[in-house]
Amino acid sequence: DTGVSQDPRHKITKRGQNVTFRCDPISEHNRLYWYRQTLGQGPEFLTYFQNEAQLEKSRLLSDRFSAERPKGSFSTLEIQRTEQGDSAMYLCASSQATGDQPQHFGDGTRLSIL
Amino acid sequence: GENVEQHPSTLSVQEGDSAVIKCTYSDSASNYFPWYKQELGKRPQLIIDIRSNVGEKKDQRIAVTLNKTAKHFSLHITETQPEDSAVYFCAASSGGSYIPTFGRGTSLIVHP
Repeated sequence: DTGVSQDPRHKITKRGQNVTFRCDPISEHNRLYWYRQTLGQGPEFLTYFQNEAQLEKSRLLSDRFSAERPKGSFSTLEIQRTEQGDSAMYLCASSQATGDQPQHFGDGTRLSIL
Repeated sequence: GENVEQHPSTLSVQEGDSAVIKCTYSDSASNYFPWYKQELGKRPQLIIDIRSNVGEKKDQRIAVTLNKTAKHFSLHITETQPEDSAVYFCAASSGGSYIPTFGRGTSLIVHP
């Protein structure tokens, strides 16, 4: 078990650029979650997959955000036309798919918008 | 949707003292309550969880209690150590959604 891995760890980009992050979950975990975390706050839910199906998206999620998990393994989160307010830590988590299960988090991708 | 309130936002204790962090939730259908510890610059890590069919759970120096009637749950850390210093998050998950709502976190500082 290598844990949940995220890439890159840090991303600095100019406002208006597109960015894409990758998450590799624990191999036997069917559920995959994306969260955003800002300083002094808990993780804020963005979206959730069970296998390749995207089952839930936060109503707060702008249409500039899109996520995929095409083969039910790794997932990508893309932010188009980035804005200053997108600066945050983006966390990925995975869990098993039987009932409510503990989530295992990755180290996150810290996004800074110049 | 679910709303989770967490208090206090900061807690400072002397080594060896006990620490208590409290959370309340709004959705009576919530039935799973995990607690995560996040050290500076690191990932959140599960330290203990409790389900709604249990009132209390203990793991060494850490315990969690749940009061479903009052819709609140608490984390208790006994004999605190400097390495317990971190931000602690509570969360509540409604049955069937499998999406936890997190509290805003408590920064615990244990002074040696």
